[in-house]
Parts: sequence; structure tokens; C-alpha cells
Amino acid sequence: EVQLVESGGGLVQPGGSLRLSCAASGFTFKSYWMTWVRQAPGKGLEWVANIKHDGSEKYYVDSLKGRFTISRDNAENSVYLQMNSLRAEDTAVYYCARGGTAAAGPFDYWGQGTLVTVSS
Amino acid sequence: EIVLTQSPAILSLSPGERATLSCRASQSIRSYLAWYQQKPGQAPRLLIYDASNRATGIPARFSGSGSGTDFTLTISSLEPEDFAVYFCHQRFNWPLTFGGGTEVEIK
Repeated sequence: EVQLVESGGGLVQPGGSLRLSCAASGFTFKSYWMTWVRQAPGKGLEWVANIKHDGSEKYYVDSLKGRFTISRDNAENSVYLQMNSLRAEDTAVYYCARGGTAAAGPFDYWGQGTLVTVSS
Repeated sequence: EIVLTQSPAILSLSPGERATLSCRASQSIRSYLAWYQQKPGQAPRLLIYDASNRATGIPARFSGSGSGTDFTLTISSLEPEDFAVYFCHQRFNWPLTFGGGTEVEIK
């Protein structure tokens, strides 16, 4: 059974940093693109970043470039999102999702999400 | 950036009725469109990928159509569990984008 479990969310002050983790199981992790998608309270879905199987390609939504970094550890079956210089507008549930083997999407399995709250 | 516009924002229907949801892209995305369903407090679930292919385990009452810039998700006969929010998503070009969503509510 495919499982994605996010962790690392919580309350952080504006300007602070957080590192989200997503532990994957039930599939050959190193063969898949992985993605982070976020959802602000009461809002729609926003794609954040994607990373290729071997980490050789990374893509980000323009508005977050330079503040957020996606990475992965195929030995640990995990994908990460390092978030720096956090702002109130980064408050959201962050989902980890599995992409394809030959392409970045679609996203066929999702974790339950981890809530990030940026507030003083 | 490719903008996806979903309509209507809210669709009020009764169980057993047919639901037709629209997603329009700001430029051609060929058939690289997916549909997701999201219920309150839950993660999104993939329903349709590449415009018309049902994902694993998705009931046959869900179908997708379209190509280029105009796409449709049809639910042939609404079941109680189908009342939710539906998002379209394109993977044709970076940045990947989602539509704003259509809420299917009980009339």
C-alpha cells in the first residue's frame, strides 16, 4: 500500500524557517517524481515544487523561488521542503504527493498534509 | 503561466442528477489535464488524468473529456459521497497550475 506521511509543520514566527519531511512507503520511491502542494485555509490548491527521481531537476512556483528548496533522499525514501523567510501568507496545509515515473504528474497519491502556521 | 478557469464556482444539484463541470485553459495544454476531488478535512484524490483516463478505483460514473483549452468532468448520476470540491490541474507546462475549484453542493 502506498503511503505518504508528512511531518515538520507547526507554528513559526514571521521570518523563521521550517523543514517539512515526507516519508514514503509501498512503492519504489526512487522511480517517481515527487511534489509539494499547499492549501491556505479555505482556499484552493497551489502547486509549490517538484523534484525528479534522482534530484537532477527541480521546479518551483515563481513566487517562492529563493525561499523554498525541495530535496530528496532516495536511500531514506523521503522528500523534503526547506522553507525560509516565512511570511503570514505561507500559512497553509502542505501536502506531499507522488508524481509519475516518466513525467511530473499527475499526482496519484497524497499524504494527509501538515499544517504550517506563520504568526507572531 | 497557464491559467485554469473553472466554472461554475458552485453547482447545486440533487442526488441522482448529472453534474457537468468545466475547466478552461488560457492556452492549449493538449490533453495534460487532471481532475481531483477533495472533501473537507481530506487530501485531494485523483479522479481523471490526461483528460479522459479514470484513475485506479474511480467509479465509472466519473468521466472526463476535452483537449486543447476546454475540458469537462461529468458525473453521470450524483451519489451522496460525490458532494465535494473538484479541481482541475495541468501538467503541460511549468509552473504546474490548478484551477480555482468547483464546489458541488446538495440542492
